[in-house]
Amino acid sequence: GAGVSQTPSNKVTEKGKYVELRCDPISGHTALYWYRQSLGQGPEFLIYFQGTGAADDSGLPNDRFFAVRPEGSVSTLKIQRTERGDSAVYLCASSRSRDNEQFFGPGTRLTVL
Amino acid sequence: AQSVTQLDSQVPVFEEAPVELRCNYSSSVSVYLFWYVQYPNQGLQLLLKYLSGSTLVESINGFEAEFNKSQTSFHLRKPSVHISDTAEYFCAVSRISNFGNEKLTFGTGTRLTIIP
Repeated sequence: GAGVSQTPSNKVTEKGKYVELRCDPISGHTALYWYRQSLGQGPEFLIYFQGTGAADDSGLPNDRFFAVRPEGSVSTLKIQRTERGDSAVYLCASSRSRDNEQFFGPGTRLTVL
Repeated sequence: AQSVTQLDSQVPVFEEAPVELRCNYSSSVSVYLFWYVQYPNQGLQLLLKYLSGSTLVESINGFEAEFNKSQTSFHLRKPSVHISDTAEYFCAVSRISNFGNEKLTFGTGTRLTIIP
């Protein structure tokens, strides 16, 4: 079966630009997570959706970051006025079961020049 | 809040030798524990998990981890490593909730390098 997919796989942008990163979870998974992984670090939590609503957005670093999941499936992470410090791999994961097993996508590598 | 400490950032091991990757966690509530593996140029994959019951859990490729509540540890071990085990290993925790879905808190990872 299909796993979690993320597009694009790589995104290069200039400082100050707006970017959108897309995540397509495993079919039937109601929970969707966004994480960010900087070089040499473990993934850091950004936001978690249960269905269409954001159940926990405590990891979003500031108001330049925003995420939506309008139909409870695909999610888009939006970053406004990108900064060089936003450069990282953005990971998406989805989960169905009560044991919180999360399945990760391959990530989007964002580079802000 | 939860936190995870992986003290060893890099571990070189000779092929067929045993290995232990250390993980300690801190939490004021009960947690689930996970080990994820990231092979070169691949995404994160779940290696094994501890939810409840037996404190020793095993993976299909020979790894095992033991939950030690008194020492708040969840160390990963393998008695004999192979070249194919070369990867980055991440320990993670999530608190237990009624919904079952909670964010993961990861350690900084341990890069395991197998020396032929």
